Amino acid sequence: AQSVTQLGSHVSVSEGALVLLRCNYSSSVPPYLFWYVQYPNQGLQLLLKYTTGATLVKGINGFEAEFKKSETSFHLTKPSAHMSDAAEYFCAVSSVLANSKLTFGKGITLSVRP
Amino acid sequence: SQTIHQWPATLVQPVGSPLSLECTVEGTSNPNLYWYRQAAGRGLQLLFYSVGIGQISSEVPQNLSASRPQDRQFILSSKKLLLSDSGFYLCAWSVRKGPTYEQYFGPGTRLTVT
Repeated sequence: AQSVTQLGSHVSVSEGALVLLRCNYSSSVPPYLFWYVQYPNQGLQLLLKYTTGATLVKGINGFEAEFKKSETSFHLTKPSAHMSDAAEYFCAVSSVLANSKLTFGKGITLSVRP
Repeated sequence: SQTIHQWPATLVQPVGSPLSLECTVEGTSNPNLYWYRQAAGRGLQLLFYSVGIGQISSEVPQNLSASRPQDRQFILSSKKLLLSDSGFYLCAWSVRKGPTYEQYFGPGTRLTVT
């Protein structure tokens, strides 16, 4: 079985500050890892994903994430927060055994202060 | 390009009434389709997924059922709604990219059971 842990439910940063959203996973096989963003009352949009190869993955809107196998982590970062980054962020895990299914974390709400 | 539609966007139903939510995908054929429920603070819960017409896998025993009468149509139903069925329902489809699948989400249906 696979699982994702996103500690905390809410992160608040100032505009221009570093954004760091944490994600830890559990998987008995090599994982595929995803970050999705959800704006209020909308569906989810894929930010980035890791499958194999380079462990630092760049996504849309200036976000990136680093896969660290030794720490079973896939934290999402952005050097400088923008007001438009305020949303809910979900980390998800899959694998070759998951038959295209994703297991999501509980999500983290990001607030950006002016 | 591919597009995913869900309707209705919002729905208020009394306890014990039936439910039918519809999802359609355009611009692709034979997609994998998924129904998720999102409850506050609980992330996304996969309810059903389908790999083809008439092929439905249920992930969580519950008061809901799903059907796929056509290749690009996925329907979520209930004969008698419970208060606990309230939530945000998301439909998604997936496409294989490299070693894994990417899921793309519809705009969602907000269901309130009163």
